[in-house]
Amino acid sequence: AQSVTQPDIHITVSEGASLELRCNYSYGATPYLFWYVQSPGQGLQLLLKYFSGDTLVQGIKGFEAEFKRSQSSFNLRKPSVHWSDAAEYFCAVGISGGSNYKLTFGKGTLLTVNP
Amino acid sequence: DGGITQSPKYLFRKEGQNVTLSCEQNLNHDAMYWYRQDPGQGLRLIYYSQIVNDFQKGDIAEGYSVSREKKESFPLTVTSAQKNPTAFYLCASSIKRGSYEQYFGPGTRLTVT
Repeated sequence: AQSVTQPDIHITVSEGASLELRCNYSYGATPYLFWYVQSPGQGLQLLLKYFSGDTLVQGIKGFEAEFKRSQSSFNLRKPSVHWSDAAEYFCAVGISGGSNYKLTFGKGTLLTVNP
Repeated sequence: DGGITQSPKYLFRKEGQNVTLSCEQNLNHDAMYWYRQDPGQGLRLIYYSQIVNDFQKGDIAEGYSVSREKKESFPLTVTSAQKNPTAFYLCASSIKRGSYEQYFGPGTRLTVT
């Protein structure tokens, strides 16, 4: 069964600093990869996605992510964090070619931004 | 505006009562999903439906039931058989069967005492 690991439960950065949130998946085939963001008490918003092609993908709010097949990773990055980026971030994986079209989510990384 | 509506935002029930959570979408999406979210657990799939009048169990379907009589609506019933029903419930949809890109509603927080 596929699985998604977000190794960092909680990350704290200073406003203006760079950010990298890690995501690793375990699955043999090429997956569909997503990053979502959730503000407290709210639903999830899609930040970016990777299906195929260029391994560096750009998303909303200045975020980008890079797919590295050799490392089974899809890390999320932002060069300069804003206080409004404080939220919980979820990585998700879908199996390409599967028949059930489900997403498997990581357990999330909570981002705190210090002024 | 197109989107997914979940109502109510907060729901309180006594133990032993069934409760139904509403999920409506006007995106004309074929597929709909229900997730449960608990602190530190991420999202866990309860049920999903890829077409009207058809649905499948997810990873934690025990104690829940759903129906999909209309394309726009996918209500979730939390039954008294669900051992730990207090949680945040999220509904999502995707444009068609085979699409992994899901869009989420604002969620319903259910508290059972």
